[in-house]
Amino acid sequence: DARVTQTPRHKVTEMGQEVTMRCQPILGHNTVFWYRQTMMQGLELLAYFRNRAPLDDSGMPKDRFSAEMPDATLATLKIQPSEPRDSAVYFCASGLVTGRTEAFFGQGTRLTVV
Amino acid sequence: SQQGEEDPQALSIQEGENATMNCSYKTSINNLQWYRQNSGRGLVHLILIRSNEREKHSGRLRVTLDTSKKSSSLLITASRAADTASYFCATDGDSNYQLIWGAGTKLIIKP
Repeated sequence: DARVTQTPRHKVTEMGQEVTMRCQPILGHNTVFWYRQTMMQGLELLAYFRNRAPLDDSGMPKDRFSAEMPDATLATLKIQPSEPRDSAVYFCASGLVTGRTEAFFGQGTRLTVV
Repeated sequence: SQQGEEDPQALSIQEGENATMNCSYKTSINNLQWYRQNSGRGLVHLILIRSNEREKHSGRLRVTLDTSKKSSSLLITASRAADTASYFCATDGDSNYQLIWGAGTKLIIKP
């Protein structure tokens, strides 16, 4: 059963610490998204990759966030240094030319920065 | 950025009743999708309707699309407690095929 896998599922960290979230997209999918979801802002696009190349990361605070795809099986989202306002659920999703077809979401990483 | 706007923001109905949620968007689209999110979980794709389609069915789900009004509706018939979730619409916004999301409708089915 193909699915997007995110790790960790939960993360509690102190302000100022580095946080790394990982995502394994579904094998064969060429598009990967990172989203952040909060009650106040809803679902926000942070970064978007096509064939491992970043196409849009305009939604991501560049001074502290970075997103990469070191290979086709791994996408990472890093926050350094983390701040309490980064507390949210972070979702990874993958798809094939998404927008024409469905996006498959992981279960998310719930991040709490204290 | 969010293009879609769902309404209502929240909807509470009795089990067995029908639930209707609406989505409006701003730009032209190739297709529109509906997703469900159970509390604490990722979003799950429900149905995709293309811009040249007016209505689509999947089980108890019925989706309509009116491109002249830039709006879509999702009807869930004979609702069940398990339908309690948030429902989001998403459209493809530009040639890079990004998904642009609405704020969602929170649906509560009362037993």
